[in-house]
Amino acid sequence: DAKTTQPTSMDCAEGRAANLPCNHSTISGNEYVYWYRQIHSQGPQYIIHGLKNNETNEMASLIITEDRKSSTLILPHATLRDTAVYYCIALTYNQGGKLIFGQGTELSVKP
Amino acid sequence: GAVVSQHPSWVICKSGTSVKIECRSLDFQATTMFWYRQFPKQSLMLMATSNEGSKATYEQGVEKDKFLINHASLTLSTLTVTSAHPEDSSFYICSARVEGNYNSPLHFGNGTRLTVT
Repeated sequence: DAKTTQPTSMDCAEGRAANLPCNHSTISGNEYVYWYRQIHSQGPQYIIHGLKNNETNEMASLIITEDRKSSTLILPHATLRDTAVYYCIALTYNQGGKLIFGQGTELSVKP
Repeated sequence: GAVVSQHPSWVICKSGTSVKIECRSLDFQATTMFWYRQFPKQSLMLMATSNEGSKATYEQGVEKDKFLINHASLTLSTLTVTSAHPEDSSFYICSARVEGNYNSPLHFGNGTRLTVT
């Protein structure tokens, strides 16, 4: 699976959009980009995933560049409850679809 | 839907004893479940892949005789930490994917915090 690179930490003001970048320059054509988040002392929560096209759901939007070498997770109106560690993972199902977590981005939403 | 439940949510045991952690998929079947471990201030580390009806596949460096995995049914996998020691104290998390749907996300349990005294 391709390695992903994320900033260690980010701050965001409550009510503003949080834009979390992820670099996956070695991603292969059959690898999906998955985003999860982990709130302190809980299990990871699925947010969104995509292959080529931009995706949107009730939680967030995922913007994938045309060359697929990077992506951005957008939380449109961040709240204090969005404070968490956000993980960007490139996943292929060839090896059973297991998720390998990197260090993620610690997002702090501030009032 | 797609809820994964772990039990217990926390456990304290004495050094040398064994502890069993259960992972259940409540509303779906899962041939494969994954077990992770997480130490404070660190990311999740994949320990093993649990396969229903067959032996688990362990990641490099994980002792299979210490971390016994049993996946007896399509909705239950168990992780037994044998002869636990203080260094085994950690947050253990399981995950599963809806059976037969490879383009679906892994769903995670809420973890089990193990403290070995």
